[in-house]
Amino acid sequence: AQSVAQPEDQVNVAEGNPLTVKCTYSVSGNPYLFWYVQYPNRGLQFLLKYITGDNLVKGSYGFEAEFNKSQTSFHLKKPSALVSDSALYFCAVRDGTGFQKLVFGTGTRLLVSP
Amino acid sequence: DAGVTQSPTHLIKTRGQQVTLRCSPKSGHDTVSWYQQALGQGPQFIFQYYEEEERQRGNFPDRFSGHQFPNYSSELNVNALLLGDSALYLCASSLQLISGNTIYFGEGSWLTVV
Repeated sequence: AQSVAQPEDQVNVAEGNPLTVKCTYSVSGNPYLFWYVQYPNRGLQFLLKYITGDNLVKGSYGFEAEFNKSQTSFHLKKPSALVSDSALYFCAVRDGTGFQKLVFGTGTRLLVSP
Repeated sequence: DAGVTQSPTHLIKTRGQQVTLRCSPKSGHDTVSWYQQALGQGPQFIFQYYEEEERQRGNFPDRFSGHQFPNYSSELNVNALLLGDSALYLCASSLQLISGNTIYFGEGSWLTVV
């Protein structure tokens, strides 16, 4: 069965500094990995995904993520954080079969201070 | 291009009642999934519909049922509501036959059971 771990409940970073939100996964076969962001009282907004190919994936709003197969990780990164990036971030995984069930982590709250 | 739309946005029900939530997928998408997000947790997969049939189901009781219509829209029904059913219910849409396709979410329906 698939699983996702987001080891940090909250990440604090100052505006302008780089940020990293960690995610590790477990899945049978090749993983399809996703990052979503959730603003207060809103739904999930897609940021980026890894399916195959280049291990560094670029997504929306300047975010990127690095896929590391040996460490089974898919950490979300941004070179320079903005206060407006403050939100709840979810990592999700599905396996490469036809089923499209996503398994989510527990989420990491990102707080960017001015 | 309309994204995933859900209704109603908020609703309050009494224990034992029944509720129906509705979802219209993103234009061109044929697969609808439903997720439950309890407060402070990541979304949990309820079930997925494709070609008007339930294709995959998560660990939810039979009180949770659904339907998909010929136009790909979907309903989630919950019978005999419990206080623990209070959550944000998210609809997600995707294309079934496209490997690695992006799964998009709606803004959700907030259900409070009193």
